[in-house]
Amino acid sequence: QSALTQPPSASGSPGQSVTISCTGTSSDVGSYNYVSWYQQHPGKAPKLMIYEVSKRPSGVPDRFSGSKSGNTASLTVSGLQAEDEADYYCSSYGSSNNLIFGTGTKVTVL
Amino acid sequence: QVQLVESGGGVVQPGRSLRLSCAASKFTFSNYGMHWVRQAPGKGLEWVAVIWYDGSNKYYADSVKGRFTISRDNSKNTLYLQMNSLRVEDTAIYYCARDRGSYGSSNPDYWGQGTLVTVSS
Repeated sequence: QSALTQPPSASGSPGQSVTISCTGTSSDVGSYNYVSWYQQHPGKAPKLMIYEVSKRPSGVPDRFSGSKSGNTASLTVSGLQAEDEADYYCSSYGSSNNLIFGTGTKVTVL
Repeated sequence: QVQLVESGGGVVQPGRSLRLSCAASKFTFSNYGMHWVRQAPGKGLEWVAVIWYDGSNKYYADSVKGRFTISRDNSKNTLYLQMNSLRVEDTAIYYCARDRGSYGSSNPDYWGQGTLVTVSS
């Protein structure tokens, strides 16, 4: 299965909001609520930020929120901070018992 | 705090084999599905394989099917990835990651720090 589609880049000034989309198909994002978002800083392992579309793990700031409509999931980072500058990846369970990642979005804090 | 520590990476020639290990601790390993995910230098994340909590089911990405084998030893709290017929395009950091559930469908929550595999002649 093909990777989920994300915009290559997104940016915002400190305090602003940025929203990243993640577009899949009816065989993955559209069929399952097992959509997650990961933050990855350079040289580091990915960190779970959102799971099951909109749930936040303990310790993740509530500035991070997720949603889904049809075949597209979204991650919104509100009140951007310098430490939010990173790569972000979505993922979804797929109908072939597989896990599909998004193409990745580099978030820049201006 | 969940700990996952990968080992076994290194430089290997095309066509050769390598086995990666992932030592798990500070959680009940036998209750969770486990994934291998890789990341080529400067590229995005690519899922490789998943194994159910009891090892009864395994699923693979098309790019590694027939060449890689995922396995686990719940008595040793260890996950494995046997990689055969390695190709240059298999060069990547390989991460092991715990699924949030038992069957590998809930997506990973905790990740190891990764081990680098370089396939080069």
